[in-house]
Amino acid sequence: ELKVEQNPLFLSMQEGKNYTIYCNYSTTSDRLYWYRQDPGKSLESLFVLLSNGAVKQEGRLMASLDTKARLSTLHITAAVHDLSATYFCAVGGGSNMLTFGGGTRLMVKP
Amino acid sequence: GAGVSQSPSNKVTEKGKDVELRCDPISGHTALYWYRQSLGQGLEFLIYFQGNSAPDKSGLPSDRFSAERTGGSVSTLTIQRTQQEDSAVYLCASSRQWSSTDTQYFGPGTRLTVL
Repeated sequence: ELKVEQNPLFLSMQEGKNYTIYCNYSTTSDRLYWYRQDPGKSLESLFVLLSNGAVKQEGRLMASLDTKARLSTLHITAAVHDLSATYFCAVGGGSNMLTFGGGTRLMVKP
Repeated sequence: GAGVSQSPSNKVTEKGKDVELRCDPISGHTALYWYRQSLGQGLEFLIYFQGNSAPDKSGLPSDRFSAERTGGSVSTLTIQRTQQEDSAVYLCASSRQWSSTDTQYFGPGTRLTVL
């Protein structure tokens, strides 16, 4: 059974600081997704990572994938308040279903 | 429409009643998924439809849950004899085609509260 673990579960940051969210998964997969969720809203797709060593960047967010270590990271550079949200990683499994991590609630304080 | 739509946005029901939740996928998307999000269980896969193939029901938590997809488009998730533990946000997602790499786009969800 595929298990996905994220850490930390909660992250309080100062604006301007850098930090990394980690996503570990238990079995081999060839695809990993990062989503953002604002309070009361649905999931917004951020990144799709499909191969070992894949790196994607959008603004202050950068995601990477190491399939050998079964690890993905979401790096936040010079955080701003607008990045406050909950971030989920999701790993592709059988039948195209996604198995989600528990989410990381990010709060960026001025 | 531009995105996945779901209705109703909120549903409050009494324990033991049946409920139906509706999902309209993005036009042209052949794959449709149902997930639910609850405080205790996080985000869980429920069921997956691809075109006219038999759905993957492996995530349905009990036989009180069923789903259908008519004409390869709109889907309805039905929960019979609702229980309080069914309270959650039910999310629908669609993707362009049956490819393991296609991004799933999520709808706004239906918040179900069972009293």
